[in-house]
Amino acid sequence: GAGVSQSPSNKVTEKGKDVELRCDPISGHTALYWYRQRLGQGLEFLIYFQGNSAPDKSGLPSDRFSAERTGESVSTLTIQRTQQEDSAVYLCASSFGGLAGGAEQFFGPGTRLTVL
Amino acid sequence: ILNVEQSPQSLHVQEGDSTNFTCSFPSSNFYALHWYRWETAKSPEALFVMTLNGDEKKKGRISATLNTKEGYSYLYIKGSQPEDSATYLCAHISGYSTLTFGKGTMLLVSP
Repeated sequence: GAGVSQSPSNKVTEKGKDVELRCDPISGHTALYWYRQRLGQGLEFLIYFQGNSAPDKSGLPSDRFSAERTGESVSTLTIQRTQQEDSAVYLCASSFGGLAGGAEQFFGPGTRLTVL
Repeated sequence: ILNVEQSPQSLHVQEGDSTNFTCSFPSSNFYALHWYRWETAKSPEALFVMTLNGDEKKKGRISATLNTKEGYSYLYIKGSQPEDSATYLCAHISGYSTLTFGKGTMLLVSP
């Protein structure tokens, strides 16, 4: 079975441009998470989707960031008007059920975003 | 403790040494603690999901303990091998979707 996949693996963009990052979770996983790791920082929670419930967007750093998920499948993270501080590795993860219930999380390989 | 803290920040040991790392977390609102291993250019890989105070888990040469009352978890590696070189992350789950990662312990094992 396939794991979590992300695309693109690397993205270089110019400041001010919009970017879209894609995540394909493991089939059947109800929960999907986006994280980022900026240079020298820890992993930072961005957004969480669970089934058809309203997503938890509490980790999104600004209104330039948005994410969507179609049902229990693909998710896209969009960053509008990118800034240099958005440069980071963006990781997606999925789990069958919520983490509070003891579910294990599976990570994708990440997208390395560089904003020039 | 308000945040998730890991120590040491980095560690360099010789092949065959045993080592351990610490993850400290707020003892209130505890749901679960995760340990991950993250090798360079790879995805973080879950090692353990721990939910109960006093939990002890083992996978090969790696084991972990959990104390939710005092807010800490230890990860032990027995007989370190060069392939154990990685960053070891812990994550504290304090709500249905509230997960906070530590900054990790970077382990380098020299042959």
